Amino acid sequence: SAVISQKPSRDICQRGTSLTIQCQVDSQVTMMFWYRQQPGQSLTLIATANQGSEATYESGFVIDKFPISRPNLTFSTLTVSNMSPEDSSIYLCSVAVRSYEQYFGPGTRLTVT
Amino acid sequence: GDSVTQMEGPVTLSEEAFLTINCTYTATGYPSLFWYVQYPGEGLQLLLKATKADDKGSNKGFEATYRKETTSFHLEKGSVQVSDSAVYFCALLYNQGGKLIFGQGTELSVKP
Repeated sequence: SAVISQKPSRDICQRGTSLTIQCQVDSQVTMMFWYRQQPGQSLTLIATANQGSEATYESGFVIDKFPISRPNLTFSTLTVSNMSPEDSSIYLCSVAVRSYEQYFGPGTRLTVT
Repeated sequence: GDSVTQMEGPVTLSEEAFLTINCTYTATGYPSLFWYVQYPGEGLQLLLKATKADDKGSNKGFEATYRKETTSFHLEKGSVQVSDSAVYFCALLYNQGGKLIFGQGTELSVKP
């Protein structure tokens, strides 16, 4: 398994501002993922972040809105830009430790007012 | 496209009752299947997995068998505890190391 931490754990932000969420892993991993969990909903993949290459975004998510950095094999950031109340969600990062297992961070609970 | 369907919740049981949460999937090929659990206010934890047909995943008294013929991966536990109260997510992984596709989640509430 892997130990994953996220910062901040929660935040309340005003519309139109941006928030950067950090994800730190205790071991080097090739693949990291960012998911969104809207209130009372399931998880939806935003993008896959691989070190040394551009993030790959899922349909409905764009780089201008959710820029991602992956500077090394243990760290990634997700920025939620120009926020609106519809962006209020839990944002989770995950890592693939073995090819068929993913482990999740504790999540960042974002509320946009 | 690939998808996962879970039984709707919330499911409310008394302590020591038998639990079944149904999960069926649609996928081309042979995905790996997972159950994740989300306790209140926490992130997701991997509960169990199965990577091929007829595999049985088990952990903490929970079991699920990968049934290719019925495209199902139902979660079972013989005797639930109050501490099992959580939201349970069924998920499939089609490309190894790729994205997980989640079901809608089933909330379980166990009463003493």
